[in-house]
Amino acid sequence: EADIYQTPRYLVIGTGKKITLECSQTMGHDKMYWYQQDPGMELHLIHYSYGVNSTEKGDLSSESTVSRIRTEHFPLTLESARPSHTSQYLCASSEAGETEAFFGQGTRLTVV
Amino acid sequence: GQNIDQPTEMTATEGAIVQINCTYQTSGFNGLFWYQQHAGEAPTFLSYNVLDGLEEKGRFSSFLSRSKGYSYLLLKELQMKDSASYLCAVPDSNYQLIWGAGTKLIIKP
Repeated sequence: EADIYQTPRYLVIGTGKKITLECSQTMGHDKMYWYQQDPGMELHLIHYSYGVNSTEKGDLSSESTVSRIRTEHFPLTLESARPSHTSQYLCASSEAGETEAFFGQGTRLTVV
Repeated sequence: GQNIDQPTEMTATEGAIVQINCTYQTSGFNGLFWYQQHAGEAPTFLSYNVLDGLEEKGRFSSFLSRSKGYSYLLLKELQMKDSASYLCAVPDSNYQLIWGAGTKLIIKP
């Protein structure tokens, strides 16, 4: 069973608020990812990391930022939330050189 | 560029067999993944094919033809719990997964 955790599972916040979505994995994986997924739609990669101090933007333009100070931790921050940010955010990790990804349970974000 | 095509939705009957197709276009090939995703949940890994042919894993099998850019997922003895979306994904040249939009499978009694 995959050991990757996201908090919170559900979040409702007001427009303009700053929020951080947490993601931690205990598998020692070097690669970590953040995806955004609307209901019934495909996964869109918004950020990824190859390891500590590595962060890259994905194919979806995003107003979020990430950091990778520790191998196990890959938080996603929205500086100023907007209703268009309402979506499910999925964190995933994989071993270096391998591409099978293990997913967290996701954070369902609603911005009102 | 990369492109993945899957049917949007399929319906099948409990106990039957269903085949979900996936066609892809990639520059280079580093394997093909199938994931299952129940509504509101995270995707979970089902299979990985890198060589041509059929790989069987219990009720689920996955087939790959690299020359045709084609794969399918075969689900046998369908159960109600198999109702989910099935996602096809291929790594790009940087080994980042490119995801299809998924096929929503509806199982009827």
